[in-house]
Amino acid sequence: QKEVEQNSGPLSVPEGAIASLNCTYSDRGSQSFFWYRQYSGKSPELIMFIYSNGDKEDGRFTAQLNKASQYVSLLIRDSQPSDSATYLCAASNSGYALNFGKGTSLLVTP
Amino acid sequence: GAVVSQHPSWVICKSGTSVKIECRSLDFQATTMFWYRQFPKQSLMLMATSNEGSKATYEQGVEKDKFLINHASLTLSTLTVTSAHPEDSSFYICSARTQGESEKLFFGSGTQLSVL
Repeated sequence: QKEVEQNSGPLSVPEGAIASLNCTYSDRGSQSFFWYRQYSGKSPELIMFIYSNGDKEDGRFTAQLNKASQYVSLLIRDSQPSDSATYLCAASNSGYALNFGKGTSLLVTP
Repeated sequence: GAVVSQHPSWVICKSGTSVKIECRSLDFQATTMFWYRQFPKQSLMLMATSNEGSKATYEQGVEKDKFLINHASLTLSTLTVTSAHPEDSSFYICSARTQGESEKLFFGSGTQLSVL
């Protein structure tokens, strides 16, 4: 069974700190990995995607992928209260639908 | 990024009625679209994969006769919830995958269905 695991949280960080969100996946055939942000009652919004081992940076966000450990993470630098949301990790075996984790709730406190 | 339009945003209906939800890819062609359902505080659960010009592929446990999917064109897929019941109340989200070297999945804005 293809599973994506995330700690449900909530993860609470003070404003300006680094938030670290983690995700593991079970399907070794997974090739693409995505992080989505979802505000309550809204649809998920794509933040980042990563295909290769290592780090990928985009503004305040850094995605990290370690295929050997089947581990994906998302770092949010200089966290802002507006970053408070649920972050969904997803894995895809190319050509198929994404498998989503249950999401980690992030709360950034002023 | 790519835009996926979904309508309606919310619908309230009586038990036993049917509800149609539309999903359109506005600036790209989507041969495949996906329909997800999300209950409160739960993750997205894939219901079915909609393929243009052919029958949809349903996930285990999803009734194909209850959740009718039509993918009539490269930019439009519809989900019809037939004879809706209160337990069908949920947040329904469509998505479409762009094609190319960096395939990405974009979501519609979602439809909150409430069945009375």
